[in-house]
Amino acid sequence: AQKITQTQPGMFVQEKEAVTLDCTYDTSDQSYGLFWYKQPSSGEMIFLIYQGSYDEQNATEGRYSLNFQKARKSANLVISASQLGDSAMYFCAMSTSMDSNYQLIWGAGTKLIIKP
Amino acid sequence: ETGVTQTPRHLVMGMTNKKSLKCEQHLGHNAMYWYKQSAKKPLELMFVYSLEERVENNSVPSRFSPECPNSSHLFLHLHTLQPEDSALYLCASSQDSSYTSYNEQFFGPGTRLTVL
Repeated sequence: AQKITQTQPGMFVQEKEAVTLDCTYDTSDQSYGLFWYKQPSSGEMIFLIYQGSYDEQNATEGRYSLNFQKARKSANLVISASQLGDSAMYFCAMSTSMDSNYQLIWGAGTKLIIKP
Repeated sequence: ETGVTQTPRHLVMGMTNKKSLKCEQHLGHNAMYWYKQSAKKPLELMFVYSLEERVENNSVPSRFSPECPNSSHLFLHLHTLQPEDSALYLCASSQDSSYTSYNEQFFGPGTRLTVL
Protein backbone atom coordinates (compact mmCIF):
# COMPACT_ATOMS: atom_id res chain seq x y z
CA ALA A 1 0.00 0.00 0.00
CA GLN A 2 1.19 3.52 -0.72
CA LYS A 3 1.55 5.61 2.36
CA ILE A 4 3.26 8.67 3.81
CA THR A 5 4.19 8.75 7.49
CA GLN A 6 5.09 11.86 9.44
CA THR A 7 5.90 10.78 12.98
CA GLN A 8 6.22 14.24 14.56
CA PRO A 9 2.79 15.76 15.26
CA GLY A 10 4.43 18.90 16.65
CA MET A 11 7.82 20.53 17.15
CA PHE A 12 9.13 23.56 19.02
CA VAL A 13 12.38 25.06 17.73
CA GLN A 14 14.37 28.11 18.77
CA GLU A 15 14.64 30.84 16.16
CA LYS A 16 17.77 30.61 13.96
CA GLU A 17 18.27 26.93 14.68
CA ALA A 18 18.05 24.31 11.93
CA VAL A 19 14.99 22.05 11.83
CA THR A 20 14.53 18.56 10.43
CA LEU A 21 11.00 17.34 9.73
CA ASP A 22 10.70 13.59 9.21
CA CYS A 23 8.90 11.86 6.38
CA THR A 24 8.94 8.19 5.40
CA TYR A 25 7.10 6.72 2.48
CA ASP A 26 6.01 3.37 1.21
CA THR A 27 5.51 2.58 -2.46
CA SER A 28 6.20 -0.19 -4.94
CA ASP A 29 6.46 2.27 -7.83
CA GLN A 30 9.91 2.82 -9.35
CA SER A 31 9.05 6.34 -10.47
CA TYR A 32 7.56 8.71 -7.93
CA GLY A 33 7.97 12.21 -6.61
CA LEU A 34 8.14 13.59 -3.11
CA PHE A 35 6.85 17.01 -2.19
CA TRP A 36 6.86 19.22 0.85
CA TYR A 37 4.17 21.82 1.38
CA LYS A 38 3.78 24.49 4.05
CA GLN A 39 0.37 25.48 5.37
CA PRO A 40 0.26 28.69 7.45
CA SER A 41 -2.73 29.48 9.62
CA SER A 42 -4.29 31.26 6.63
CA GLY A 43 -4.96 27.83 5.13
CA GLU A 44 -3.24 27.99 1.78
CA MET A 45 -0.87 25.17 0.87
CA ILE A 46 2.46 26.53 -0.31
CA PHE A 47 4.79 24.33 -2.37
CA LEU A 48 8.31 24.24 -0.92
CA ILE A 49 10.43 21.59 -2.59
CA TYR A 50 10.33 18.52 -4.83
CA GLN A 51 12.51 15.40 -5.12
CA GLY A 52 12.18 12.89 -7.95
CA SER A 53 12.90 9.25 -7.26
CA TYR A 54 15.61 9.19 -9.94
CA ASP A 55 17.26 12.42 -8.84
CA GLU A 56 20.73 11.59 -7.57
CA GLN A 57 21.27 14.83 -5.73
CA ASN A 58 19.23 16.12 -2.83
CA ALA A 59 16.92 18.97 -3.80
CA THR A 60 17.56 22.42 -2.40
CA GLU A 61 15.48 25.61 -2.55
CA GLY A 62 16.91 28.50 -0.59
CA ARG A 63 16.75 27.61 3.12
CA TYR A 64 14.96 24.35 2.35
CA SER A 65 16.71 21.11 1.50
CA LEU A 66 15.41 17.59 1.20
CA ASN A 67 17.45 14.78 2.71
CA PHE A 68 16.52 11.95 0.37
CA GLN A 69 17.56 8.46 1.45
CA LYS A 70 16.02 6.13 -1.08
CA ALA A 71 17.08 2.86 0.52
CA ARG A 72 15.50 3.91 3.80
CA LYS A 73 12.50 5.43 2.00
CA SER A 74 12.85 8.69 3.81
CA ALA A 75 12.55 12.27 2.55
CA ASN A 76 13.19 14.58 5.47
CA LEU A 77 12.84 18.35 5.09
CA VAL A 78 15.64 20.46 6.53
CA ILE A 79 15.05 24.15 7.20
CA SER A 80 18.23 26.06 7.92
CA ALA A 81 18.31 29.18 10.10
CA SER A 82 14.65 29.02 11.10
CA GLN A 83 12.58 32.19 11.22
CA LEU A 84 9.40 33.11 13.09
CA GLY A 85 7.55 33.04 9.77
CA ASP A 86 8.35 29.35 9.41
CA SER A 87 5.75 28.53 12.06
CA ALA A 88 3.13 26.50 10.20
CA MET A 89 1.94 23.00 9.39
CA TYR A 90 4.25 21.07 7.08
CA PHE A 91 3.03 18.24 4.88
CA CYS A 92 4.96 15.60 3.01
CA ALA A 93 3.30 14.14 -0.07
CA MET A 94 4.11 11.54 -2.71
CA SER A 95 2.97 11.49 -6.29
CA THR A 96 1.62 8.23 -7.56
CA SER A 97 -0.32 6.84 -10.45
CA MET A 98 -3.75 5.38 -9.87
CA ASP A 99 -5.31 4.08 -13.07
CA SER A 100 -2.87 6.28 -15.00
CA ASN A 101 -4.13 9.39 -13.26
CA TYR A 102 -2.05 11.58 -11.08
CA GLN A 103 -2.62 11.64 -7.34
CA LEU A 104 -0.82 12.89 -4.31
CA ILE A 105 -0.72 10.78 -1.17
CA TRP A 106 -0.42 13.01 1.89
CA GLY A 107 1.02 12.62 5.36
CA ALA A 108 -0.82 13.84 8.46
CA GLY A 109 1.51 16.79 8.86
CA THR A 110 3.86 18.28 11.47
CA LYS A 111 3.03 21.48 13.32
CA LEU A 112 6.20 23.55 13.63
CA ILE A 113 6.40 26.42 16.11
CA ILE A 114 9.42 28.69 16.08
CA LYS A 115 10.17 30.34 19.43
CA PRO A 116 11.76 33.80 19.56
CA GLU B 1 -6.31 37.96 -9.54
CA THR B 2 -3.48 35.48 -9.60
CA GLY B 3 -3.09 31.85 -8.63
CA VAL B 4 -6.06 29.96 -7.23
CA THR B 5 -8.91 31.73 -5.46
CA GLN B 6 -11.74 30.27 -3.41
CA THR B 7 -14.98 31.76 -2.17
CA PRO B 8 -16.34 31.99 0.39
CA ARG B 9 -13.48 31.74 2.86
CA HIS B 10 -15.82 30.80 5.67
CA LEU B 11 -19.24 29.17 5.56
CA VAL B 12 -21.65 28.11 8.28
CA MET B 13 -24.65 26.12 7.20
CA GLY B 14 -27.43 24.01 8.66
CA MET B 15 -27.94 20.40 7.76
CA THR B 16 -30.90 21.23 5.50
CA ASN B 17 -29.23 24.07 3.59
CA LYS B 18 -27.90 24.03 0.06
CA LYS B 19 -24.73 25.98 -0.65
CA SER B 20 -21.91 26.03 -3.18
CA LEU B 21 -18.17 26.51 -2.94
CA LYS B 22 -16.39 28.20 -5.82
CA CYS B 23 -12.83 27.84 -7.05
CA GLU B 24 -11.15 29.74 -9.84
CA GLN B 25 -7.64 29.32 -11.21
CA HIS B 26 -5.79 31.93 -13.23
CA LEU B 27 -2.83 29.73 -14.19
CA GLY B 28 -3.98 28.25 -17.46
CA HIS B 29 -4.03 24.76 -15.95
CA ASN B 30 -6.08 21.88 -17.28
CA ALA B 31 -6.66 19.91 -14.08
CA MET B 32 -8.48 20.90 -10.91
CA TYR B 33 -8.98 19.12 -7.61
CA TRP B 34 -11.15 19.22 -4.51
CA TYR B 35 -9.61 18.11 -1.21
CA LYS B 36 -11.11 17.78 2.26
CA GLN B 37 -8.85 18.56 5.20
CA SER B 38 -10.08 17.47 8.62
CA ALA B 39 -8.19 18.10 11.83
CA LYS B 40 -5.25 15.77 12.41
CA LYS B 41 -5.94 13.76 9.25
CA PRO B 42 -4.14 13.65 5.91
CA LEU B 43 -5.69 15.52 3.04
CA GLU B 44 -8.40 13.50 1.36
CA LEU B 45 -8.78 13.78 -2.39
CA MET B 46 -12.44 14.14 -3.29
CA PHE B 47 -12.61 14.88 -7.00
CA VAL B 48 -10.27 15.36 -9.96
CA TYR B 49 -11.25 17.11 -13.17
CA SER B 50 -9.14 17.14 -16.32
CA LEU B 51 -10.24 19.36 -19.20
CA GLU B 52 -13.64 19.73 -17.52
CA GLU B 53 -14.18 15.97 -17.37
CA ARG B 54 -14.27 14.15 -14.05
CA VAL B 55 -11.53 11.54 -13.94
CA GLU B 56 -11.55 10.52 -10.31
CA ASN B 57 -14.16 10.27 -7.58
CA ASN B 58 -12.86 8.78 -4.38
CA SER B 59 -16.17 7.38 -3.18
CA VAL B 60 -17.43 10.71 -1.95
CA PRO B 61 -21.00 10.80 -0.59
CA SER B 62 -23.61 12.08 -3.04
CA ARG B 63 -24.36 15.07 -0.80
CA PHE B 64 -21.22 16.54 -2.39
CA SER B 65 -21.73 17.33 -6.07
CA PRO B 66 -18.90 18.82 -8.16
CA GLU B 67 -19.28 20.89 -11.29
CA CYS B 68 -16.59 22.03 -13.71
CA PRO B 69 -18.11 24.29 -16.39
CA ASN B 70 -14.69 25.17 -17.87
CA SER B 71 -11.04 24.59 -17.12
CA SER B 72 -10.80 27.72 -14.96
CA HIS B 73 -13.77 27.16 -12.66
CA LEU B 74 -14.71 24.43 -10.24
CA PHE B 75 -17.70 24.27 -7.93
CA LEU B 76 -18.65 22.01 -5.06
CA HIS B 77 -22.38 21.94 -4.44
CA LEU B 78 -23.40 20.96 -0.92
CA HIS B 79 -26.78 19.70 0.30
CA THR B 80 -28.05 17.96 3.42
CA LEU B 81 -24.58 17.84 4.95
CA GLN B 82 -23.71 16.24 8.27
CA PRO B 83 -21.76 17.80 11.17
CA GLU B 84 -18.83 15.47 10.37
CA ASP B 85 -18.51 17.22 7.01
CA SER B 86 -17.17 20.27 8.83
CA ALA B 87 -13.63 20.77 7.53
CA LEU B 88 -11.38 22.93 5.39
CA TYR B 89 -12.11 22.36 1.70
CA LEU B 90 -9.15 23.04 -0.52
CA CYS B 91 -9.13 23.52 -4.25
CA ALA B 92 -5.99 22.93 -6.31
CA SER B 93 -4.94 23.02 -9.92
CA SER B 94 -2.10 21.55 -11.95
CA GLN B 95 -0.96 21.60 -15.54
CA ASP B 96 -2.77 18.36 -16.20
CA SER B 97 -3.75 15.21 -14.38
CA SER B 98 -1.68 12.71 -16.32
CA TYR B 99 0.89 10.79 -14.40
CA THR B 100 4.39 12.10 -14.27
CA SER B 101 6.40 12.09 -11.10
CA TYR B 102 6.46 15.89 -11.07
CA ASN B 103 3.18 17.69 -11.34
CA GLU B 104 3.05 20.51 -8.87
CA GLN B 105 -0.35 21.38 -7.51
CA PHE B 106 -1.20 24.98 -6.69
CA PHE B 107 -3.68 25.48 -3.88
CA GLY B 108 -6.28 28.05 -3.01
CA PRO B 109 -6.69 29.37 0.55
CA GLY B 110 -9.58 27.02 1.27
CA THR B 111 -13.12 27.37 2.56
CA ARG B 112 -13.64 26.69 6.25
CA LEU B 113 -17.00 24.92 6.43
CA THR B 114 -18.98 24.44 9.63
CA VAL B 115 -22.13 22.33 9.54
CA LEU B 116 -24.48 22.87 12.47
